[in-house]
Amino acid sequence: QVHLVQSGPEVKKPGASVKVSCKVSGFTLIGLSIHWVRQAPGKGLEWMGGFEPEDGETVFAQKFQGRVTLTGDTSTDTAYMEVSSLRSEDTAMYYCATGDVAIDDWGQGTLVSVSS
Amino acid sequence: DIQMTQSPSTLSASVGDRVTISCRASQNIGGWLAWYQQKPGKVPKLLIYRASSLKSGVPSRFSGSGSGTEFTLTITSLQPDDFATYYCQQYDSSSPWTFGQGTKVEIK
Repeated sequence: QVHLVQSGPEVKKPGASVKVSCKVSGFTLIGLSIHWVRQAPGKGLEWMGGFEPEDGETVFAQKFQGRVTLTGDTSTDTAYMEVSSLRSEDTAMYYCATGDVAIDDWGQGTLVSVSS
Repeated sequence: DIQMTQSPSTLSASVGDRVTISCRASQNIGGWLAWYQQKPGKVPKLLIYRASSLKSGVPSRFSGSGSGTEFTLTITSLQPDDFATYYCQQYDSSSPWTFGQGTKVEIK
């Protein structure tokens, strides 16, 4: 069973960047596809992008292209998501997730709050 | 990106009702569709994958159907634990994944 543990909540000012980590256990990072999904307060789920640790390949939703970076460290089995140029609309719970079919395992979420 | 449109946005139903939620894709996704259930403060739970395959451990009152651009999630006899928000998601590997906007099933 894959277990994903994310880093703690963040408070950022507009224009800043944030980097969220996702530690994998019960499996090796290189054997997984890691997806990042966010959910603004009271809103729906939004798929941001996916990362293939085996070859470093990334795919992004069009609205996040150029502002989100997905990376991984196979030595520590940790995936990372960095969002730059933060704005208030980026206030949300950010999840890392994975699965053999669709998304079957989720991290606990990292709340990122953007406020001046 | 492929757009996913769910209907209705909100559904009021009673325990024992048969409930149907629709999901339409803006282009052909074959059978690469999943359904999730999410309750407040919780992570989503995978119910259905590959349009109609029931995830192990999910009650058989949940079923999925469809292919191409039109999909349906059916709950045959709504139970108190089923009041939640449901999302469809396309996961066609040839394009970025996308979720539908969600359908909230509330008590009538």
